[in-house]
This record gives sequence, C-alpha cells and structure tokens, in this order.
Amino acid sequence: KQEVTQIPAALSVPEGENLVLNCSFTDSAIYNLQWFRQDPGKGLTSLLLIQSSQREQTSGRLNASLDKSSGRSTLYIAASQPGDSATYLCAVLSGAGSYQLTFGKGTKLSVIP
Amino acid sequence: NAGVTQTPKFRVLKTGQSMTLLCAQDMNHEYMYWYRQDPGMGLRLIHYSVGEGTTAKGEVPDGYNVSRLKKQNFLLGLESAAPSQTSVYFCASSPTSFSIKAKNIQYFGAGTRLSVL
Repeated sequence: KQEVTQIPAALSVPEGENLVLNCSFTDSAIYNLQWFRQDPGKGLTSLLLIQSSQREQTSGRLNASLDKSSGRSTLYIAASQPGDSATYLCAVLSGAGSYQLTFGKGTKLSVIP
Repeated sequence: NAGVTQTPKFRVLKTGQSMTLLCAQDMNHEYMYWYRQDPGMGLRLIHYSVGEGTTAKGEVPDGYNVSRLKKQNFLLGLESAAPSQTSVYFCASSPTSFSIKAKNIQYFGAGTRLSVL
C-alpha cells in the first residue's frame, strides 16, 4: 500500500527566505506526483505535476523535483511571501488500473512579514 | 468558468439522517472522485467513477453510496449518517485516459463541511 509522508508538518519562516518542503513515498511505481496548495476553508489548487519520467517542474517561484528511485520529492519556494502561507500537500498517482491519489498529511507553511 | 462545483457547502445532520452531496463539473471530464479530509489523516478516496454509469470503491467506501447517471454529475450519498462521517468532503475530476495517466491532473471543488451530531 502506497504511503506518503511530508516533513515537516509545520514550518514558519520570515518573508524573503527560500525554503524546501519534503515529500517521500514508499512505492516507486508511480505515474506522477503532484503538489497542491490548500488555503484554510478552501479546496485544493494544483501547483505542479511531475510525470514519472520527469525530474523536475518549475512554475514561477516554485520548483519541484522528483527522485523516483529513492521515493522522494521536494518543493522549493524561492523568496517566500506572506501570500505563500497555506498548507502544501503532496500526492502520488499510482496503482495499475486505479486512479487513486495518495496524499500526504501536508506541511503548514507560515511566512512572517 | 465554474470548474468543479459542490453543493451544499455546509450541512449539519443528526445521527441516522440521510443526505446526498452533489458534485458537478463543466469541463467534460471522464473521471470523477470523492475524497474525505480529516485532521491528521490527510485526504482519502471514498469512491470514484471512470465514466457515466460506472463507479468503483476507493480506500474508505463503507457507509457511502455513489451514482454517476450523467457525465457531469457525481453524487455521494449517506444513507444513515454517523458521527464518524463528520468530515470535509471534496469532489475532484480529471480528463484522463490510460495512455496519458502520467499527465492526469485532478481538479478539486471547494468542499462540503459535514457535521453529524
């Protein structure tokens, strides 16, 4: 059974810092890995999707990497802003014949002005 | 530009009552999903559908039923609500086919907050 772990559970940084969020998964047979953002009381917004054949994806100040063999992904946020404060969720799509995303429990990020 | 719309946004039920959560998507997506999100548990898949008229069980299907009578709608039913079903429910959809599973992005609704007393 696929399991996804995110470390740390919470992170507080001053504005302007670069930061890294970590995600690990137990079964490397994945189709893709996705990073989502969730604001309090809101739904999930897809930030980046890395296909299993890719090593990284970039969108603006966000860069996500994938090392499938070691079961790890990182989300790098450059020059953090207070508006980046949210919970970041990592999820993997795996399982032949199924379309089940397995989610980590998230990292709650607070960027202090 | 509605995307995925969930109805209702909030609901309070008494134990034993029934209700149906509605999910509607206007993106012509084939695949739809229902998740629940609980503190400390992350999101877990309840049921999903790979097309009109089809449904399949996810990780935590017990106590729920679903129907996909129309491609754009996916209904989640609770026949006899229990306090353990207090949660935030999210619907998602994706335009996948097997050949492009690696590109499958799921688009989420804003959620339904359900409390069962």
